[in-house]
Amino acid sequence: AQSVSQHNHHVILSEAASLELGCNYSYGGTVNLFWYVQYPGQHLQLLLKYFSGDPLVKGIKGFEAEFIKSKFSFNLRKPSVQWSDTAEYFCAVNPSGSARQLTFGSGTQLTVLP
Amino acid sequence: DAGVTQSPTHLIKTRGQQVTLRCSPKSGHDTVSWYQQALGQGPQFIFQYYEEEERQRGNFPDRFSGHQFPNYSSELNVNALLLGDSALYLCASSFMSGRAAETQYFGPGTRLLVL
Repeated sequence: AQSVSQHNHHVILSEAASLELGCNYSYGGTVNLFWYVQYPGQHLQLLLKYFSGDPLVKGIKGFEAEFIKSKFSFNLRKPSVQWSDTAEYFCAVNPSGSARQLTFGSGTQLTVLP
Repeated sequence: DAGVTQSPTHLIKTRGQQVTLRCSPKSGHDTVSWYQQALGQGPQFIFQYYEEEERQRGNFPDRFSGHQFPNYSSELNVNALLLGDSALYLCASSFMSGRAAETQYFGPGTRLLVL
């Protein structure tokens, strides 16, 4: 069975700081990778996804993530965070093939100080 | 274009009772997945419905059951509620295609509190 690890449980940054949130997965086969965001009081929204091709994917609101297969990682980055980026961020994995369930990490709470 | 909708938004039940949660998928989607999100945790997969059948199931007991209707909407039923069933229940919809990974879109969730 696959698993996802998000080692940073809570990250606090000042506005304009750069962000990198770690995500590592455990699965021996080909995977599809996702980052979802949950803003306070709102539902889970898709930030970006990787299925195949260019391992550097760009998402909404200036976020990007890089898939490094050799490290089983899919870290989320943003060069300059804003107060409005305060939210909980979840990494999720979906093994390629017939399985379609998403396996989520435990999430990283990002707090951006104005 | 309506997104995924869920009802009710909040629910309070007592131990031993039964609960039914409802989900309407995003327009054009035919697959519904249910997740349980405990406080401070990521969502955990309960099961997925497609063509009115349960296609996949996570590590949840038989007290958790579901149904999908011809219009693709879905229900999640939980019997004999336990305190540990208190959580946010999320519904996600997607379109089943030949690709392995369809993007899942989530609803706002139903927050269930079991007393």
